[in-house]
Amino acid sequence: NAGVTQTPKFQVLKTGQSMTLQCAQDMNHEYMSWYRQDPGMGLRLIHYSVGAGITDQGEVPNGYNVSRSTTEDFPLRLLSAAPSQTSVYFCASGAGGLEQYFGPGTRLTVT
Amino acid sequence: DQQVKQNSPSLSVQEGRISILNCDYTNSMFDYFLWYKKYPAEGPTFLISISSIKDKNEDGRFTVFLNKSAKHLSLHIVPSQPGDSAVYFCAAANSGYALNFGKGTSLLVTP
Repeated sequence: NAGVTQTPKFQVLKTGQSMTLQCAQDMNHEYMSWYRQDPGMGLRLIHYSVGAGITDQGEVPNGYNVSRSTTEDFPLRLLSAAPSQTSVYFCASGAGGLEQYFGPGTRLTVT
Repeated sequence: DQQVKQNSPSLSVQEGRISILNCDYTNSMFDYFLWYKKYPAEGPTFLISISSIKDKNEDGRFTVFLNKSAKHLSLHIVPSQPGDSAVYFCAAANSGYALNFGKGTSLLVTP
């Protein structure tokens, strides 16, 4: 099992550009989520999904879109990148319990 | 408003001694608590959890204690090893999948 994979590992965007952060898991987990981590902060939930076709907002959803067309994939879209979105993004997945498995992260810089 | 607080940004402990990491929470609806460990440039990894119906959970060198009346939990690592040096995040959930994270405590175990 590869677990949770994220691409790309690093990305630099200019303000106003859009992009999609990819996340995939091969553990057949129903639950997937996106967090961001900023310096000196804990992880903050952006969006989550409890199954294919079902998504909901977390604590900091503004500026991000998600969709869940398959169990395996949960991409995060930045519609118009802003410097405030410079962060490390983590994708996670989980089964019925609350233990979640995190990917290695994508480090995003918006200039 | 931070609902999960880790008030010690860092902790240094000698190898072989006990490490005690603390976490406080404000939301009395939280019923599940987790500790994650994070190395630089990696995603968080699940360490240990406890539900609100218990006051202690043990897994090898790691023990989590929960004091619901004080809204406080702690992670004990005995004995501490240099490989335990990492950032430890406390997280809490309210019967759902969305985790609320603290800001983390950086543990350094010195030989």
